[in-house]
Amino acid sequence: ILNVEQSPQSLHVQEGDSTNFTCSFPSSNFYALHWYRWETAKSPEALFVMTLNGDEKKKGRISATLNTKEGYSYLYIKGSQPEDSATYLCASNSGGYQKVTFGTGTKLQVIP
Amino acid sequence: DAGVTQSPTHLIKTRGQQVTLRCSPKSGHDTVSWYQQALGQGPQFIFQYYEEEERQRGNFPDRFSGHQFPNYSSELNVNALLLGDSALYLCASSLGPEGVLSYNEQFFGPGTRLTVL
Repeated sequence: ILNVEQSPQSLHVQEGDSTNFTCSFPSSNFYALHWYRWETAKSPEALFVMTLNGDEKKKGRISATLNTKEGYSYLYIKGSQPEDSATYLCASNSGGYQKVTFGTGTKLQVIP
Repeated sequence: DAGVTQSPTHLIKTRGQQVTLRCSPKSGHDTVSWYQQALGQGPQFIFQYYEEEERQRGNFPDRFSGHQFPNYSSELNVNALLLGDSALYLCASSLGPEGVLSYNEQFFGPGTRLTVL
């Protein structure tokens, strides 16, 4: 993996369903991984910063895991609500301390 | 606490012109980073300012320059605009320049939408 890749690009889920998406990043020279939540017409909001292999972070119904050896992070949303509808961005500065790369995001729409 | 503010919200320019975008960081923050987000892409890091100096820079040409003022606010200048410069420009502030992505949480502004015709 040379770039930060996110999948899926978009998804629709029903209210109450749980969902998850993936961020893949270069595993060499890993420094930190960030997840952001970006609602339309608003500013990106930081959700988590993760640095250690095996890290798990949780904020309410949203949680994230990190595997730095294989270069991936999962974001989980339990019991999705319409207000969870947003684009979820991950960003990593693997591959060099000063090289920061954002993924293109996963656009989530929760259908009431 | 006003958070990160950016101005203007939208801007339309023509090729060859110059543009200046402005950012005021969150209260208490001293570091400002600028990002460009083109349609369908993730934000691309342009540069970071701390103590009124450019500390780090992404892969952007010299047409992109910036400035940070003593009150920590910042400007992004783009000269000789190209059609490809059309994008959303995001500003983010943090406390301390410890790497572009550090353990210090970044707070983003709402962005300036630049359209180059």
